[in-house]
Amino acid sequence: EPEVTQTPSHQVTQMGQEVILRCVPISNHLYFYWYRQILGQKVEFLVSFYNNEISEKSEIFDDQFSVERPDGSNFTLKIRSTKLEDSAMYFCASSGTGVGEQFFGPGTRLTVL
Amino acid sequence: AQSVAQPEDQVNVAEGNPLTVKCTYSVSGNPYLFWYVQYPNRGLQFLLKYITGDNLVKGSYGFEAEFNKSQTSFHLKKPSALVSDSALYFCAVRDPTTGGFKTIFGAGTRLFVKA
Repeated sequence: EPEVTQTPSHQVTQMGQEVILRCVPISNHLYFYWYRQILGQKVEFLVSFYNNEISEKSEIFDDQFSVERPDGSNFTLKIRSTKLEDSAMYFCASSGTGVGEQFFGPGTRLTVL
Repeated sequence: AQSVAQPEDQVNVAEGNPLTVKCTYSVSGNPYLFWYVQYPNRGLQFLLKYITGDNLVKGSYGFEAEFNKSQTSFHLKKPSALVSDSALYFCAVRDPTTGGFKTIFGAGTRLFVKA
């Protein structure tokens, strides 16, 4: 069964450093998403991406964040200058249609020291 | 603005008994509604969705949910709980009238099923 994969599973970084979280969505999906979940809290929408552009983003997704689909298979989330409060689990998801269910990856745990 | 409320942080039920996990929503148009389950240290897994049609939708692992427009609810149910159903359950809503694909998740309800 196809699945969404994410690397790394755990990323530790120093405050102010740039991080890139990587995702490989399901191959025939067209819609891509990033969410984050701070420990013990709700899952928060960050951004959706379709047709090589951002279709919607939340207020969390400020200028420090960017997304890219560099090569037709990977989907990346970049945080330019990490803050302590960026520590969270980051989930990538993809869907085949805009109304369909989303398939989530296992997540990347980001720890900012 | 769209929102989702899961009024119970935790639901406890004995194995074999029916379970209900509650969800209410607020959107400006007709909602797309979803339930996801999260097991420890795992991503979210899709259980079921309501887009249109029959108000009672059936999903994975014997779960079902009923869309109630007048009460703006989408409660998750299962006739007979299993210990293995113990997990964190998230209700989610998308408002298709916004034109985007933003999905809002509830805070989650932790289900404990005791043997």
